[in-house]
Amino acid sequence: SQQGEEDPQALSIQEGENATMNCSYKTSINNLQWYRQNSGRGLVHLILIRSNEREKHSGRLRVTLDTSKKSSSLLITASRAADTASYFCATQLTGGGNKLTFGTGTQLKVEL
Amino acid sequence: DADVTQTPRNRITKTGKRIMLECSQTKGHDRMYWYRQDPGLGLRLIYYSFDVKDINKGEISDGYSVSRQAQAKFSLSLESAIPNQTALYFCATRKSGGADTQYFGPGTRLTVL
Repeated sequence: SQQGEEDPQALSIQEGENATMNCSYKTSINNLQWYRQNSGRGLVHLILIRSNEREKHSGRLRVTLDTSKKSSSLLITASRAADTASYFCATQLTGGGNKLTFGTGTQLKVEL
Repeated sequence: DADVTQTPRNRITKTGKRIMLECSQTKGHDRMYWYRQDPGLGLRLIYYSFDVKDINKGEISDGYSVSRQAQAKFSLSLESAIPNQTALYFCATRKSGGADTQYFGPGTRLTVL
């Protein structure tokens, strides 16, 4: 089964609203990363949070990490139609040889 | 120009054919990865390479082989393609000792009939 499971699988919101996506994982990690994928295209790195960090910001993005619950959330504030994409969390496992394990993704649709 | 390129971008082939997907990068990164993406399953790691002479199997290597011809090039081969290898294939790169971010190519959409 996947190391990362995202919730919800799909999310539809209006422009200007906030979007929150969650990621749960199963084993100890070095870091957790969020990537964005526009339809049929390559993934683009958004933000990385290390296991000793609890919160990180980048522009309109806010990521939290709770290692006791093995979960992370990605918040996109003041969403725009251009934010429409799939969002994936990826975990780098402790002792995992620097490999990333990806979750199943959340499809976000931002409507005008 | 794109830093990570993949060729071809789309390929339709028949069962039993040998297929090679190519990845090139101009980022100067030493680490390269091949993933496949299937609907609802996210990305799964096929093979990865930490350097030209260092090749490692990923989560789903059966039915695939790779070649790291140079630091900048990493090829994925399907020796005898089968329909359940129909998927979107991505190459990615990373610089060891740097940030843990991976940089992805645009993908190759492969259909095996």
